[in-house]
Amino acid sequence: DQQVKQNSPSLSVQEGRISILNCDYTNSMFDYFLWYKKYPAEGPTFLISISSIKDKNEDGRFTVFLNKSAKHLSLHIVPSQPGDSAVYFCAASGAGNTGKLIFGQGTTLQVKP
Amino acid sequence: GAGVSQSPSNKVTEKGKDVELRCDPISGHTALYWYRQSLGQGLEFLIYFQGNSAPDKSGLPSDRFSAERTGGSVSTLTIQRTQQEDSAVYLCASSESRVLLGGYTFGSGTRLTVV
Repeated sequence: DQQVKQNSPSLSVQEGRISILNCDYTNSMFDYFLWYKKYPAEGPTFLISISSIKDKNEDGRFTVFLNKSAKHLSLHIVPSQPGDSAVYFCAASGAGNTGKLIFGQGTTLQVKP
Repeated sequence: GAGVSQSPSNKVTEKGKDVELRCDPISGHTALYWYRQSLGQGLEFLIYFQGNSAPDKSGLPSDRFSAERTGGSVSTLTIQRTQQEDSAVYLCASSESRVLLGGYTFGSGTRLTVV
């Protein structure tokens, strides 16, 4: 049972435009959500996170939105840059924000110059 | 060290052989995690060590998989009698504590190929 789902395997956007990456989850006990970025041949790197008590968190060009009623979160990148081209994973942590993360399958973002 | 170090970076082994993968976490990080990423898949949780607590082994796919963490630092993931479906990138990560305020730091992974 896939508890965290990223239904779009890939996304292509033009440089300067907004990139929106989506993630759905099924477990209402998840209380902490994170986004990671991964370049080829490298490990994932932490990007941004959000607690379930919030609905938005912003860090520079990156904003994560959380809709608990819909069990949906999204990552907005504005403006998109070619260097943002990577695989993006969303992840969720269970009750008590323990260490174990459940990851989605990833979305490959391509930002075209 | 400055980051999470994993060795080897690549490993090709014959089906049926045992392999050991090593992870050196960031100094002072009490939590250590193993994940794997099979081709076209997301990151699959394997095992989690937190300080001196009993590890969370709930993600290990079979009894051929085991892991230990010696002295609260270096960890070794062992796969016995490897099978072709074990081929994946094995990722190790560490964090300061179980509270994930800033996520955890991953190593670059070990790409395991079972032929």
